[in-house]
Amino acid sequence: LAKTTQPISMDSYEGQEVNITCSHNNIATNDYITWYQQFPSQGPRFIIQGYKTKVTNEVASLFIPADRKSSTLSLPRVSLSDTAVYYCLVGSPGGYQKVTFGTGTKLQVIP
Amino acid sequence: NAGVTQTPKFQVLKTGQSMTLQCAQDMNHNSMYWYRQDPGMGLRLIYYSASEGTTDKGEVPNGYNVSRLNKREFSLRLESAAPSQTSVYFCASIRGTPRFNEQFFGPGTRLTVL
Repeated sequence: LAKTTQPISMDSYEGQEVNITCSHNNIATNDYITWYQQFPSQGPRFIIQGYKTKVTNEVASLFIPADRKSSTLSLPRVSLSDTAVYYCLVGSPGGYQKVTFGTGTKLQVIP
Repeated sequence: NAGVTQTPKFQVLKTGQSMTLQCAQDMNHNSMYWYRQDPGMGLRLIYYSASEGTTDKGEVPNGYNVSRLNKREFSLRLESAAPSQTSVYFCASIRGTPRFNEQFFGPGTRLTVL
C-alpha cells in the first residue's frame, strides 16, 4: 500500500484558492490518486480522482506531476462550507482494493 | 435510491455485550468495506468484501467478524465489546471499473462501550 503524507491542518480566508499537497513517494504504476472530503459527523465524500497531469471537475482540480510522487488538490474560491477534512488516497482502480485514509488535512476557512 | 444505509445510528453497550451493525446498499456494487474512525483520526479498514460470499481482513480486524450473505448487505459483529471499540463505524460501497474507483459511505454508527 502506498503511504501518503499530508499537512495536518491549513487555514484560508473565504474567496481564496486553496492548494493541499499530498506526498506519495512509493506510488505504483497502476495506482490512481483520489481525494475525499469529510464533514463532521458524516462519512467521507468523493471529490476527484486522477492518474497523471491535470483533472478538473465542477468542484476541484487535481494536479499530478510527471513523476507522480505527489499531487495537489486545488479548491477555487473557498467558502465557509468548504471547512472539512480532506483525505488523499492512493490505490489501484477497480472495485477491490485495500486503501489507507491517513489522518487527512483539516481545512479551516476563515470569514 | 437510498445509497448506503446503516443501522443503528447510535448504540451504547456494556463491556462484554455483543451486537451487529447492519449496512445495506442499493447501487448493485460488488465491493463493500467496514471502517472505524476514532476521534481526530482517519479511517481504518476493518474488513472488506470483494463480492457476495467473500470477505477478507483489513488493517484492524481483531475483535470483529463480518458477514456478506448477499450483494446488498454487509454486517459487522462485535462478539464481546470492549471500551477500545468505542468509535464511529462507517460502511462503504465501491463503484469500481478498470480505470476508476469511488467509495460511497453510509452515515455511520456511533458506538460507545462502557
